[in-house]
Amino acid sequence: QQQVKQSPQSLIVQKGGISIINCAYENTAFDYFPWYQQFPGKGPALLIAIRPDVSEKKEGRFTISFNKSAKQFSLHIMDSQPGDSATYFCAASGNAGNMLTFGGGTRLMVKP
Amino acid sequence: GAGVSQSPRYKVAKRGQDVALRCDPISGHVSLFWYQQALGQGPEFLTYFQNEAQLDKSGLPSDRFFAERPEGSVSTLKIQRTQQEDSAVYLCASTPRGVVNTEAFFGQGTRLTVV
Repeated sequence: QQQVKQSPQSLIVQKGGISIINCAYENTAFDYFPWYQQFPGKGPALLIAIRPDVSEKKEGRFTISFNKSAKQFSLHIMDSQPGDSATYFCAASGNAGNMLTFGGGTRLMVKP
Repeated sequence: GAGVSQSPRYKVAKRGQDVALRCDPISGHVSLFWYQQALGQGPEFLTYFQNEAQLDKSGLPSDRFFAERPEGSVSTLKIQRTQQEDSAVYLCASTPRGVVNTEAFFGQGTRLTVV
C-alpha cells in the first residue's frame, strides 16, 4: 500500500527556473513531513521538513507548502541550479509509527 | 564518527548465500532504522531499534531477514539464503532521540547484488 504518492517521476528545469514536486498522503495520523535529497551513491539527506500546524515553511531557496485538508504537500525550489540535480523524496511519519514512509522519488535535472 | 557508517559499500552474493550488513550509527544516537531501497524507488522501512530493543520489525519481508543491535550501538542486518529479489541498497539511519519526528541521518548504504 503506497501511502505517499509523489509526482512527477522526473523533472527537467532550466537554470534559474522553479522546480515543483508534489506529494499526497493517505494516513491522517502523519504529523511530520520531511523532504530528502539524494545524490547518486549517497544516502538521503534532510533538506527541509514541516509539521501540519503551519501551511508553509521556507529555508533559503526551498519552500514547503502544506495543505492539511487536501492531504497534500509540495516542494518548491526557487532559482534552480545545476547543483540541485538529484533525486528528491517526500516522506511522512506519525506518532503511531516511528518509521518514515517515502514517496517514489523525483529525479530532477537542472539544465545550465 | 562524523556520520552514519555502513559496510561493506558493495556486496555481491551468490543466490543462497548468507550476508551480513553492518551499520555504525552516529555516536550517542538512540534510534536506528534499516530501510531497503530498490533501484529507482524510495526507501522502504524494514526495522527499528531504540537502544538495543527492536521495537518494530514489521517491514522485514521474510523470516530470512534478521537484524540485531546487541549493545545499543552497532547494528547488523543479516539476510539468509539470499534471493535475486533481495538485490537493493540497504540504508541505515539514526536519530538522536527516541522518536523519528526529528532529522534522520542516513548512511551511504550497502548495495547488495544477488547473482
